Amino acid sequence: ETGVTQSPTHLIKTRGQQVTLRCSSQSGHNTVSWYQQALGQGPQFIFQYYREEENGRGNFPPRFSGLQFPNYSSELNVNALELDDSALYLCASSRRQVKWEHEQFFGPGTRLTVL
Amino acid sequence: GDSVTQMEGPVTLSEEAFLTINCTYTATGYPSLFWYVQYPGEGLQLLLKATKADDKGSNKGFEATYRKETTSFHLEKGSVQVSDSAVYFCALQGANSKLTFGKGITLSVRP
Repeated sequence: ETGVTQSPTHLIKTRGQQVTLRCSSQSGHNTVSWYQQALGQGPQFIFQYYREEENGRGNFPPRFSGLQFPNYSSELNVNALELDDSALYLCASSRRQVKWEHEQFFGPGTRLTVL
Repeated sequence: GDSVTQMEGPVTLSEEAFLTINCTYTATGYPSLFWYVQYPGEGLQLLLKATKADDKGSNKGFEATYRKETTSFHLEKGSVQVSDSAVYFCALQGANSKLTFGKGITLSVRP
């Protein structure tokens, strides 16, 4: 069973640029959640995708957007990058069933540095 | 809104010492509670969980009990090892299925 994978591992961008991060779900999972983890902090929920639609969003501006594809993989797009966007971006996949509570499995993350 | 508060760190212990990491939460309804661990350079791994009041989660010698009356989910281990050195996060999952994390605490275990 393949776990959650993310690409790229590291990324350096400059302020104002745009970035796309990618996530492949664990086999059999239909839900993807994205989190931002600033240095020395706990992860903060960005949004969640279920069956290709956004299903919940945290306190992040619209320049953070996402997609989920029919194979349940996902992208996180960030426009007009700011210095404070520098963080580890974590993707988590899960299998939503009848019950709302479902264990989320995390990928290794993408380290984004904005200069 | 939902929130999780963890004790301030870092924590440094000698091998075989007893570990307690405090965690309290604020949430509406009946959340599920989790402890995640993050080893250097890696993503988050689920350590243990509890889904209802009085449940005890356990894994790899770690334990935590869901205490609704004190809104707490403290992590304990009777004898820590050097390999337990990592960052530990307490988290809750509410009805909207998102995870809300505490700030994390760094544990260092000396030989």
